[in-house]
Order: sequence, then C-alpha cells, then structure tokens
Amino acid sequence: AQSVTQLGSHVSVSEGALVLLRCNYSSSVPPYLFWYVQYPNQGLQLLLKYTTGATLVKGINGFEAEFKKSETSFHLTKPSAHMSDAAEYFCAVSPASGNTPLVFGKGTRLSVIA
Amino acid sequence: DAGVIQSPRHEVTEMGQEVTLRCKPISGHNSLFWYRQTMMRGLELLIYFNNNVPIDDSGMPEDRFSAKMPNASFSTLKIQPSEPRDSAVYFCASSLEVTEAFFGQGTRLTVV
Repeated sequence: AQSVTQLGSHVSVSEGALVLLRCNYSSSVPPYLFWYVQYPNQGLQLLLKYTTGATLVKGINGFEAEFKKSETSFHLTKPSAHMSDAAEYFCAVSPASGNTPLVFGKGTRLSVIA
Repeated sequence: DAGVIQSPRHEVTEMGQEVTLRCKPISGHNSLFWYRQTMMRGLELLIYFNNNVPIDDSGMPEDRFSAKMPNASFSTLKIQPSEPRDSAVYFCASSLEVTEAFFGQGTRLTVV
C-alpha cells in the first residue's frame, strides 16, 4: 500500500524567498510521484511528476522536485516565490506497475507575503 | 480537448433530496475517478472505473452513494438521500493508464 505525508499544513514565505514543501512517501513497490497545485475554487493541476529516469524533475512555473529513494522523499522547491504561487499543493504517489489510483497527501497551503 | 467537464459547478439542495453529479472525462482516457474534498478529511477517493467497469468502490461512504459509468464519455455520482455531512467539493478525474490524473473543476455541494 502507498501513503503520503506532507509536513506542514501551512507554509508562509516572503516574496522572492525559497519555497520548500516537504513530502515523504511510503510504498512497497517502486513509486510514481506527483505534485499538484490547487488554486481557490479550481481543480487540481499537475505541476510535475517522477516516473523513471532523472531524479530531479522540473515542472511548470519554475518548480522542481527531487526523488530521493534513500530518504523516501519528493520535496518540492522553487528558488524565488511569487505572489501567484499562493495555493494549496498536494503530493501524490502511485505504484509504478498496475493501474491503481493516486494516493494524495493532505496538502500544504502556501502563503506568499509581499 | 476541453479537459474533464463536471456539472453542475455548484449545487445547493435540501436534506433528503437526491443529488446527481455528472462528469465527462477526457476523450481517450480509460480510467475515471471520483474524489471528495473536505477540510477535515482532505482528498478522498470514492470510486474508480477502468474501461467503464467499477474497480474499487471501497471509498464510497455509505449505500446512499452510488456511481455509474454507462459509457466511456459519461459518469454520474448520485447521493440519495443527501445529508448535511455530504457537503463537500466533489472532483472527477480521468487518466490514461493511471500515470497521472487530470481533474475537473469540481462540484461544490451544499446540503442544508
């Protein structure tokens, strides 16, 4: 079975500061890993995903994440926060084999202070 | 493609009434998922279909909830009778081989 833990339900950063949102996963098989973003009153939008290959994955809006198997982590980063980055961010995992749904973390709300 | 389309976007109903939520997945996708989002419980998977067949409905909270997928381009989630605790945002998502899920805009359900 898969599970996801997102550390910190709310993260606040200043505009221009580094964004770091933490995600740890548990999976008994090699995982696929995802980050989604949800803006107010919107659905979830894929930011980036790791399936195979390079462990540093780049996504939209300047975000990137690194898959670290030894740490079972997939933390999301962005060098410089922008006001438009304020949203809810969800980490998700699915097994690399088989046709089973994503398991989501509880989400982290990112606030950006001017 | 227009993406996953859900209707209605907002629904307000009285306790005891039947509610039907609708979803049109992305053309060509073979998996469809219904999720419920609340502040308390986060994003919960209710049920998912593969090739129009329900695969896992263990997340459906009670027998009051039912879901159907009569063809590859349409699915419904029905709550009968509805209760105030069903108030939430309900998302439909679709995917091809579950490598990633594409979400609709959601239906915000309020049961009064």
